[in-house]
Amino acid sequence: GDSVTQTEGQVALSEEDFLTIHCNYSASGYPTLFWYVQYPGEGPQLLFRASRDKEKGSSRGFEATYDKGTTSFHLRKASVQESDSAVYYCALSVDTGYQNFYFGKGTSLTVIP
Amino acid sequence: DPKIIQKPKYLVAVTGSEKILICEQYLGHNAMYWYRQSAKKPLEFMFSYSYQKLMDNQTASSRFQPQSSKKNHLDLQITALKPDDSATYFCASSQQGVAYFGPGTRLTVL
Repeated sequence: GDSVTQTEGQVALSEEDFLTIHCNYSASGYPTLFWYVQYPGEGPQLLFRASRDKEKGSSRGFEATYDKGTTSFHLRKASVQESDSAVYYCALSVDTGYQNFYFGKGTSLTVIP
Repeated sequence: DPKIIQKPKYLVAVTGSEKILICEQYLGHNAMYWYRQSAKKPLEFMFSYSYQKLMDNQTASSRFQPQSSKKNHLDLQITALKPDDSATYFCASSQQGVAYFGPGTRLTVL
């Protein structure tokens, strides 16, 4: 079935550190890939998405490149800030006439000032 | 203005009781979903609806029953509540390939 694997459960960084959160996927069709961010007490919100091989999605300094060859969509940011502390979810959807969205386990990012 | 409304925000129930979680979306979307978030399963897909019809159900238990009385409503009825049902339940809707989430209902079953 369609699924997403995030390897990092928790990440703690200092401000201005480089962030990488790994995301690999398995999909039967041609998925669209997403990164969502969730702040405490809120629902997940879209960070960005990509739907084609080698397409780069980006928002707020975060970026990820869809790589069909390695089935990956790793999230990166060059310099994190305390305000980036949140839970990040990698997700995919496959359009089979309707869309379901499948999420990874999430990565809790804590940025220490 | 909130585009997806979930009521109530917090809910406490006793084991064996029944509750209904309310979801209304004002985004004009045709697809709606329920997800559950707990410590064990961070964001678990439960149901998807399209044009008020059930498209997918990945909840094993029949105790969970979605109800769509209007195009922009998808409520979730939970019967015979158990402590393991304690979680935050998120309603979502989608159009043009992006899912939008409500603020969630935090359910605690004692």
